[in-house]
Amino acid sequence: EAGVAQSPRYKIIEKRQSVAFWCNPISGHATLYWYQQILGQGPKLLIQFQNNGVVDDSQLPKDRFSAERLKGVDSTLKIQPAKLEDSAVYLCASTKSPGLAGGPGEQFFGPGTRLTVL
Amino acid sequence: QKEVEQNSGPLSVPEGAIASLNCTYSDRVSQSFFWYRQYSGKSPELIMSIYSNGDKEDGRFTAQLNKASQYVSLLIRDSQPSDSATYLCAVIPGTYKYIFGTGTRLKVLA
Repeated sequence: EAGVAQSPRYKIIEKRQSVAFWCNPISGHATLYWYQQILGQGPKLLIQFQNNGVVDDSQLPKDRFSAERLKGVDSTLKIQPAKLEDSAVYLCASTKSPGLAGGPGEQFFGPGTRLTVL
Repeated sequence: QKEVEQNSGPLSVPEGAIASLNCTYSDRVSQSFFWYRQYSGKSPELIMSIYSNGDKEDGRFTAQLNKASQYVSLLIRDSQPSDSATYLCAVIPGTYKYIFGTGTRLKVLA
């Protein structure tokens, strides 16, 4: 079974530029997550999709970040314009829903995109 | 109080010893608990999930859950230098979304 795919793996941009990340989840996984992970911290949820609908985007900085999952499969996350503090690893993950105990199932991560904003 | 708390470490153990990693959580209705391993520069990798009170063993790893005391722990037996990584605890509280701790850095000394 193929894992979660992400691209690009690395991106360096100047502040105020825009950038987009792509994610393709594990086949059959209905729930897709985007996380931001700053060095030394745990992953912070930015947005959660169930099929092509948004379940939670409470921590997404909506003035500069946007995400979509149009056909309920792959997803893109965009930052426009980027700030220095956006430098982080952006992780995509997916789960098959529902899992045991009724909630989301086991979550699997893609390799991540390391973003550096200069 | 943070929703999921872990000691950031580093926790240093000699090769062959048992490493004990702890995690506490604040939401009493949490039902699902996970341990992830994250090597430097890599993404988190799921190593254990636990849903019921008690112990769950998988090879050298044992997850322990105590819902009354709101903690979950991970024991690594016969620790190897290759186990050196950051271990992330994740909890699904009543809101049905994953909450991660900040991770504990483990160093296994050869």
